[in-house]
Amino acid sequence: DAGVIQSPRHEVTEMGQEVTLRCKPISGHDYLFWYRQTMMRGLELLIYFNNNVPIDDSGMPEDRFSAKMPNASFSTLKIQPSEPRDSAVYFCASSSRNQADTQYFGPGTRLTVL
Amino acid sequence: AQRVTQPEKLLSVFKGAPVELKCNYSYSGSPELFWYVQYSRQRLQLLLRHISRESIKGFTADLNKGETSFHLKKPFAQEEDSAMYYCALAPSGGYQKVTFGTGTKLQVIP
Repeated sequence: DAGVIQSPRHEVTEMGQEVTLRCKPISGHDYLFWYRQTMMRGLELLIYFNNNVPIDDSGMPEDRFSAKMPNASFSTLKIQPSEPRDSAVYFCASSSRNQADTQYFGPGTRLTVL
Repeated sequence: AQRVTQPEKLLSVFKGAPVELKCNYSYSGSPELFWYVQYSRQRLQLLLRHISRESIKGFTADLNKGETSFHLKKPFAQEEDSAMYYCALAPSGGYQKVTFGTGTKLQVIP
């Protein structure tokens, strides 16, 4: 298994543009997580899904952020419109029901909003 | 609310010196504590979990409920230990809601 796959690895966009980040979890994993990493705040959980259903989105900063999981092998995190303060590394992670305390992280997407 | 505090953003030690990465937490129940590590150009990965009472790559961490701490220790630092370390907490029985600290960058000087 290639592990959790994220695309793109780097994204540079201008303020006001829509940004879509993509994630493919490990096959068979029931849980999918989106995190944002910044120097000041470390790793913040934005939202997580169980069996494609959003369970907790209390970490989503504001209405500009939305996440979907249309099927077990794909999820998106969308920012519309993007702002410079959204610049961060966004991680996707997945875990299985049988080993729920271990999350497997993707390589991250480094987002820069100019 | 659950909270994890890592007071040091950067910790520099010489090779062979002891290492202690500090982690304090606040949580009203019995938490599960973890350490994750991110080596340069690699993914964030689980290093160890307190419930296993294991030693991984020479690192150990003891949960001190009285001091609400879960410090990561290693008696003799190696250059390959240089990485970013994150302390994390999850509610007992509810592993999915994991709270991470802000991370400590460990730099081992040759």
